[in-house]
Amino acid sequence: DTGVSQDPRHKITKRGQNVTFRCDPISEHNRLYWYRQTLGQGPEFLTYFQNEAQLEKSRLLSDRFSAERPKGSFSTLEIQRTEQGDSAMYLCASSPGQGHETQYFGPGTRLLVL
Amino acid sequence: GNSVTQMEGPVTLSEEAFLTINCTYTATGYPSLFWYVQYPGEGLQLLLKATKADDKGSNKGFEATYRKETTSFHLEKGSVQVSDSAVYFCALSDLSSASKIIFGSGTRLSIRP
Repeated sequence: DTGVSQDPRHKITKRGQNVTFRCDPISEHNRLYWYRQTLGQGPEFLTYFQNEAQLEKSRLLSDRFSAERPKGSFSTLEIQRTEQGDSAMYLCASSPGQGHETQYFGPGTRLLVL
Repeated sequence: GNSVTQMEGPVTLSEEAFLTINCTYTATGYPSLFWYVQYPGEGLQLLLKATKADDKGSNKGFEATYRKETTSFHLEKGSVQVSDSAVYFCALSDLSSASKIIFGSGTRLSIRP
């Protein structure tokens, strides 16, 4: 098992452009989480999937953000009309499911919006 | 709501010094508690965890004890090494919300040779 992977690792974009990030969780992990980490802060929860169902979204997740996990495996996070305030590290984590609270994190995608 | 407060950094110590990073939490119920570590240029890694009161988590010489009476989970190590230089995050699982993890703001630790 290679752990949680994320792609790309770095993304530089211009304000107003759309970006999409991908997360591949550890195989057979039912739960998948997205977090955002800004400089000097701890990660903050964005959204969570149980298999393919998106069950919770933080109020941090504005209408410009959308996440999917179509087959209950990999997930994508899209940001439309990016703003400079979206610049952050976007982290994905997975866990086996209920009764297993430990989450395993990927390396993150660092986004810079110019 | 649930929250985590941890000691502000940066913390700078000499090699072989004793380390304590304080962490306190506010939570309903009985969450699991974690310490995650982020080494320079790397992703978040689980360092240790404790799932119930009075449990002690330990790994790589680090220890933390789940103290419900003081709502604390302080991280300790008896003799730090240069390779321990990293950012340390105290965290808890939010049982009311799909066990999402709530993190503290992190403490940057630098160890001088």
